[in-house]
Amino acid sequence: GAVVSQHPSRVICKSGTSVKIECRSLDFQATTMFWYRQFPKQSLMLMATSNEGSKATYEQGVEKDKFLINHASLTLSTLTVTSAHPEDSSFYICSARISGGVRADTQYFGPGTRLTVL
Amino acid sequence: AQSVTQPDIHITVSEGASLELRCNYSYGATPYLFWYVQSPGQGLQLLLKYFSGDTLVQGIKGFEAEFKRSQSSFNLRKPSVHWSDAAEYFCAVDFSGNTGKLIFGQGTTLQVKP
Repeated sequence: GAVVSQHPSRVICKSGTSVKIECRSLDFQATTMFWYRQFPKQSLMLMATSNEGSKATYEQGVEKDKFLINHASLTLSTLTVTSAHPEDSSFYICSARISGGVRADTQYFGPGTRLTVL
Repeated sequence: AQSVTQPDIHITVSEGASLELRCNYSYGATPYLFWYVQSPGQGLQLLLKYFSGDTLVQGIKGFEAEFKRSQSSFNLRKPSVHWSDAAEYFCAVDFSGNTGKLIFGQGTTLQVKP
């Protein structure tokens, strides 16, 4: 089956620092990847859509300068939380959408990254 | 605003009993509907999806769901629950014409009693 990995799985950082989270599709190509945020005991909230070779599109209310997204290849998207603050602490989940073939448009999710900002 | 509602935050069923998890969504033309399961330490796993056609869809692990347009519902069912089904279940809807941008419900935590 299709596998999506995230690295790191858990990160603790000091307030004011930047943190980069990687999302990789391991065995398929993904033109489009998505970044979600999940608060404890709550649902996933779509933050942005990451398209390979173009700028990400952000959902309303998500600061693009705070959450930098780069989709450099068909298998890698990165989310950088810049100048992180405690309110940015959350569980960040990415997903990757298969570009073609019989499973086209199927979305696979990574295991998530737990960010804690002290 | 487009929204997805899972009315039951927490459900407890006995092993072997039947299960139904409810999902309602705000009105939208031709929604694409999904059910995912989230287990600790694992990514969301797709159970089933509905795009068009037969309104009763079969998924993995013995799950099925029925799309009812008149009720704007997409309820998930399983005839006999196993202890391993204990997890968090999310209903998700793509209102934007299969762009992949999902709106998730609040989730339902399923607990299975032995």
